[in-house]
Amino acid sequence: EVQLVESGGGLVKPGESLTLSCVASGFPFSVSWMNWVRQAPGKGLEWVGRVKRNTEGATTDFAAPVRGRFSISRDDSRNTVSLRMNSLRVEDTAVYFCTKDYFGSCDYWGQGALVTVSS
Amino acid sequence: EIVLTQSPGTLSLSPGERATLSCRASQSVSSSYLAWYQQKPGQAPRLLIYGASSRASGIPDRFSGSGSGTDFTLTISRLEPEDFALYYCQHYDNSPLFTFGPGTKVDIK
Repeated sequence: EVQLVESGGGLVKPGESLTLSCVASGFPFSVSWMNWVRQAPGKGLEWVGRVKRNTEGATTDFAAPVRGRFSISRDDSRNTVSLRMNSLRVEDTAVYFCTKDYFGSCDYWGQGALVTVSS
Repeated sequence: EIVLTQSPGTLSLSPGERATLSCRASQSVSSSYLAWYQQKPGQAPRLLIYGASSRASGIPDRFSGSGSGTDFTLTISRLEPEDFALYYCQHYDNSPLFTFGPGTKVDIK
């Protein structure tokens, strides 16, 4: 059974940093591209970023609103992908989902981690 | 940047009825990279359709996808009680990599 379990969410102040982690199981993690997708309260889905395989240099791509502030890393020995969020803004408040990439879609999703940015 | 528009915003139907949801792209897109998701309150989205018409693993055959170019459709042949939810279309391209539509809510009439 495929499982993606996020952790690390919480309440932070504007300008602070936070790191989310996602532990994967039930599929060959090391050959999978992984995404982060967020959903602001009561709003739709917004793609945040993606990391490719380590054999592809673990190349990352990000959506414009987070580029330069967020980074993604992966640790295949621990089946873990992490989202480091710096210089957080109020508008970054959302549930953050870890997802597995599948031919340009997201075939598995974690349960989500809530990040609240508020003074 | 491609923009996805979904219609209607809300679809009110009864169990057993057929649901037809539309997703329109602002320019022609590859059907290989058009997906549909279902989301229920408090849950993560679930992939229903990828490649415009391929059902994801475990998805019942009452769900079907079609379309090409700028117009795509998700059809639910006979609504079951568990199908009343929010539905998003999504496209994969260069930048941003993933674009989601605003969603269509299917609620009980």
